[in-house]
Amino acid sequence: AQSVTQLGSHVSVSEGALVLLRCNYSSSVPPYLFWYVQYPNQGLQLLLKYTSAATLVKGINGFEAEFKKSETSFHLTKPSAHMSDAAEYFCAVSEEGNNRLAFGKGNQVVVIP
Amino acid sequence: GAVVSQHPSWVICKSGTSVKIECRSLDFQATTMFWYRQFPKQSLMLMATSNEGSKATYEQGVEKDKFLINHASLTLSTLTVTSAHPEDSSFYICSARGGQGSYGYTFGSGTRLTVV
Repeated sequence: AQSVTQLGSHVSVSEGALVLLRCNYSSSVPPYLFWYVQYPNQGLQLLLKYTSAATLVKGINGFEAEFKKSETSFHLTKPSAHMSDAAEYFCAVSEEGNNRLAFGKGNQVVVIP
Repeated sequence: GAVVSQHPSWVICKSGTSVKIECRSLDFQATTMFWYRQFPKQSLMLMATSNEGSKATYEQGVEKDKFLINHASLTLSTLTVTSAHPEDSSFYICSARGGQGSYGYTFGSGTRLTVV
């Protein structure tokens, strides 16, 4: 079964600094990979997704992620953090023919002024 | 873009009563919908998968008789928490997936259930 690993539940980053959230996946077939953001008491908003097209995926709010098959990774980055980026971020994986999304444990991002 | 509407956003109910949460896909047909439960500071836990016109598939450990799921149309799925108890208090989120070739999962805004 597919799964993802997100290390470091809390990530602190200074305003204007690089945001890097790591995600490693496990899948028996080529995966579909997603990054979602969640603000308090809200649902999940899709930041970006990888569906076997370009390996470098650009999303909303200046985020991007690169699919690296050799490293089974799909790390999320943003060059310059804003205060509004403070939120919970989830990496998720699904597979062709399998409707289910498997979520990582999430990263709580804190932006320090 | 795809929009999923979830209602209510929050609800407080007394122990022993039942609560219904609705999840609607507003601008697309959702053949499959998912229901998640999220505890504070934790990830989403899949409770069940519902397919239009058929019985829901529940994850291991989820009580079918307590969490009733109905997916009667291509745009509506409901989750009913029956005989609610304080331990059922949680944040419930639905998501919907479109038809063949769609890789997207669209999430509702969630429902905060508090059982007193």
